[in-house]
Amino acid sequence: QVQLQESGPGLVKPSETLSLTCAVSGGSISGYHWSWIRQPPGKGLEYIGYIYYRGRTNYNPSLKSRVTISVDTSKNQFSLKLSSVTAADTAVYYCARDVGSGDVSRDAFDIWGQGTMVTVSS
Amino acid sequence: QSALTQPPSASGSPGQSVTISCTGTSSDVGGYNYVSWYQQHPGKAPKLMIYEVTKRPSGVPDRFSGSKSGNTASLTVSGLQAEDEAEYYCSSYEGSNNPHVVFGGGTKLTVL
Repeated sequence: QVQLQESGPGLVKPSETLSLTCAVSGGSISGYHWSWIRQPPGKGLEYIGYIYYRGRTNYNPSLKSRVTISVDTSKNQFSLKLSSVTAADTAVYYCARDVGSGDVSRDAFDIWGQGTMVTVSS
Repeated sequence: QSALTQPPSASGSPGQSVTISCTGTSSDVGGYNYVSWYQQHPGKAPKLMIYEVTKRPSGVPDRFSGSKSGNTASLTVSGLQAEDEAEYYCSSYEGSNNPHVVFGGGTKLTVL
């Protein structure tokens, strides 16, 4: 079965760029939309954005100016970059797969990574 | 402040039914059939329970059901079991000038 695994630094300094990668195993990255979602400690979920395996992206308007999501189909992985981070970006970051295949996103996430905690602090 | 409004808490006794609401606007919940529900236990990743308002992914018990009326979606858990105690989040497609997914603030379901 398809599994997702996030990786990247657990500590990022303010004003720097947060970079995470999500490795897809047990299946191909092709055919699906792949998303990033975050959850600040003790708070709710926040959608960051998605990338279709062909490269089309969609971002949360509140983060759009700072977010870049990219895909590397040869490595079966996709990545998140969030620039100019502040303490407000401290959160558990999840990668997730859209429930349906095809070029229309169903905007529902059926497979999730375990999440990775990223703390923004000097 | 979350885009979708959920009650902070809900509760019920084992065997009972509980319904959790999720209120949005005509730009999200009311305008599209892309409402989803997630269950999250402490320290775990969310689990998809309902998508496209009423659809259940494989493996989700049929005790979980979804519905929508106007700008409000609902998740009903029937025959409550102890393991249903968790945080539940709704989400919806938001079709504004910059369409994206929005989440509710979450509802803590307690099994008494």
